[in-house]
Amino acid sequence: KAGVTQTPRYLIKTRGQQVTLSCSPISGHRSVSWYQQTPGQGLQFLFEYFSETQRNKGNFPGRFSGRQFSNSRSEMNVSTLELGDSALYLCASSLGYKSNEQFFGPGTRLTVL
Amino acid sequence: DQQVKQNSPSLSVQEGRISILNCDYTNSMFDYFLWYKKYPAEGPTFLISISSIKDKNEDGRFTVFLNKSAKHLSLHIVPSQPGDSAVYFCAASGGATNKLIFGTGTLLAVQP
Repeated sequence: KAGVTQTPRYLIKTRGQQVTLSCSPISGHRSVSWYQQTPGQGLQFLFEYFSETQRNKGNFPGRFSGRQFSNSRSEMNVSTLELGDSALYLCASSLGYKSNEQFFGPGTRLTVL
Repeated sequence: DQQVKQNSPSLSVQEGRISILNCDYTNSMFDYFLWYKKYPAEGPTFLISISSIKDKNEDGRFTVFLNKSAKHLSLHIVPSQPGDSAVYFCAASGGATNKLIFGTGTLLAVQP
């Protein structure tokens, strides 16, 4: 069974640009969550999707948005990039909307110059 | 407000001995707790979880203990192996959601 895949793995952007990151969950999983990891703030929750609906959102500005498609694949978008958005963005996949197991992808390393 | 705390930034253990990683939480609404192992620039690897209705869960060399009255959980690794060297995160969730609140992590170094 294939794991969680995230594309691209690495990305370099400049301030003011926008970026779209993609996540494909484990086959059969319907819930996708996104996290941001930075050295200063650790792992922080961005949003959670289940069956194409956003169920929960973390404390991030409106520049951060996401969506989930009918095949459970998810994308997150960051507009008007700032230097502080440089981070490892992680996607987690789980079976349902309340799962005791959540599996992470390898992450997308975003660098904003 | 740090709802999940790992007070030991690092831990060093000899190969073959027990590693005990600790985690404290403040929110009594948390009902699931998970442990992850992480290498730099990679995604966390799920290790083991425990529901708040249990006080112990075991999977191979990994055992998680939950003390609800103390709002404390611990991960025991026995025997420790050099390949266990990594950062370990505990995480908690509560309610009808998969949202995880993570601790700050503990760097485990297992010396050969």
